[in-house]
Amino acid sequence: NAGVTQTPKFQVLKTGQSMTLQCAQDMNHNSMYWYRQDPGMGLRLIYYSASEGTTDKGEVPNGYNVSRLNKREFSLRLESAAPSQTSVYFCASSEAPDTPRNTIYFGEGSWLTVV
Amino acid sequence: AQSVTQPDIHITVSEGASLELRCNYSYGATPYLFWYVQSPGQGLQLLLKYFSGDTLVQGIKGFEAEFKRSQSSFNLRKPSVHWSDAAEYFCAVGEPGGGNKLTFGTGTQLKVEL
Repeated sequence: NAGVTQTPKFQVLKTGQSMTLQCAQDMNHNSMYWYRQDPGMGLRLIYYSASEGTTDKGEVPNGYNVSRLNKREFSLRLESAAPSQTSVYFCASSEAPDTPRNTIYFGEGSWLTVV
Repeated sequence: AQSVTQPDIHITVSEGASLELRCNYSYGATPYLFWYVQSPGQGLQLLLKYFSGDTLVQGIKGFEAEFKRSQSSFNLRKPSVHWSDAAEYFCAVGEPGGGNKLTFGTGTQLKVEL
């Protein structure tokens, strides 16, 4: 059981380039999330998808777009990368959106450097 | 909006010693409370969670946490630390009825001396 799978694991971008982080879960979860992790700041929510076909902004959505391609997949796109987007990105999923009683499962992270 | 404070950035303990990691939250009512652990190069794994009821919560890997409403705290404890416990620990808060959007603390890095 793979759980939450993210690709790529490492990426170096030049300022202004675009890229998409891919995420897939095999737990038949309804909700999916993208977080970024920066030193001394913990994890911050970028976007989330409560269910297939819906997406909403989190705490730090500027500079990002997301697509909930189907129930399994939730991608994060950087249209014009900036050095401030250098971070570790985590995809996560949970069974349902309505209560934190549902455990959130995290992927192993994607390390992105923008130079 | 809720917030979470983990006052200790780094903690070093000897193997076999007891451990307590501090977490304080700010929220108008009783939030949902979580502790996650992150090993180097890995994602986050849930250690334990509190929603209501018994204020002492047992988790995986021998960890427990106690919710203290009067102190707005949810400290994580372990009676005897193992070298494999070296990792970063995150406290998180969820708002009842607010969906699964968690607010994380800044983390505490645990080092275990052999």
